[in-house]
Amino acid sequence: SQTIHQWPATLVQPVGSPLSLECTVEGTSNPNLYWYRQAAGRGLQLLFYSVGIGQISSEVPQNLSASRPQDRQFILSSKKLLLSDSGFYLCAWTGTAMNYGYTFGSGTRLTVV
Amino acid sequence: AQSVTQLGSHVSVSEGALVLLRCNYSSSVPPYLFWYVQYPNQGLQLLLKYTSAATLVKGINGFEAEFKKSETSFHLTKPSAHMSDAAEYFCAVSGITTGGFKTIFGAGTRLFVKA
Repeated sequence: SQTIHQWPATLVQPVGSPLSLECTVEGTSNPNLYWYRQAAGRGLQLLFYSVGIGQISSEVPQNLSASRPQDRQFILSSKKLLLSDSGFYLCAWTGTAMNYGYTFGSGTRLTVV
Repeated sequence: AQSVTQLGSHVSVSEGALVLLRCNYSSSVPPYLFWYVQYPNQGLQLLLKYTSAATLVKGINGFEAEFKKSETSFHLTKPSAHMSDAAEYFCAVSGITTGGFKTIFGAGTRLFVKA
């Protein structure tokens, strides 16, 4: 069966520090991968998605970046965190069919202080 | 263009009462529709999905939703609420747009269940 792992679960980082969140998928190949963010009390904001290794599409311009170095690995990074980067970050994957639906990771709660 | 509107950011019901969470969508092509549930500090979990087969879709935890094309709706229901149903619920629509395959999530509805 397919599983998705996301870590860490919580993270407290000072303003200006770097960030690296990692997500891996098991049990499937060539997944579509996504990074979403939820600010407190807000809906889901799509940050990045990837349909293959090295292929990254950005939905919102900001100081975050994403990379996909391997088929089932998706990394969210920042060189210098801002207070506004605080939120709940979710990784997700889907199959290539539109009716697949998303499988989400358990999320990372990032607090920038 | 695709869009999703969830009516009511908060819904409160008594335990044992009917749960009705409303979702209306807009899509220029036959849509795929989904409901997800999110418990505090967790990721979203797929509850059910409509993929053009039966219009009444049954999901996990006793939830079901009915696709009504004429009303462009996909409301989520459960006959009898349980305390464990307290969570946030998201409706989503997927389809092909000029920008490619897109999924749009609603803003979410938080369900409160009173004892």
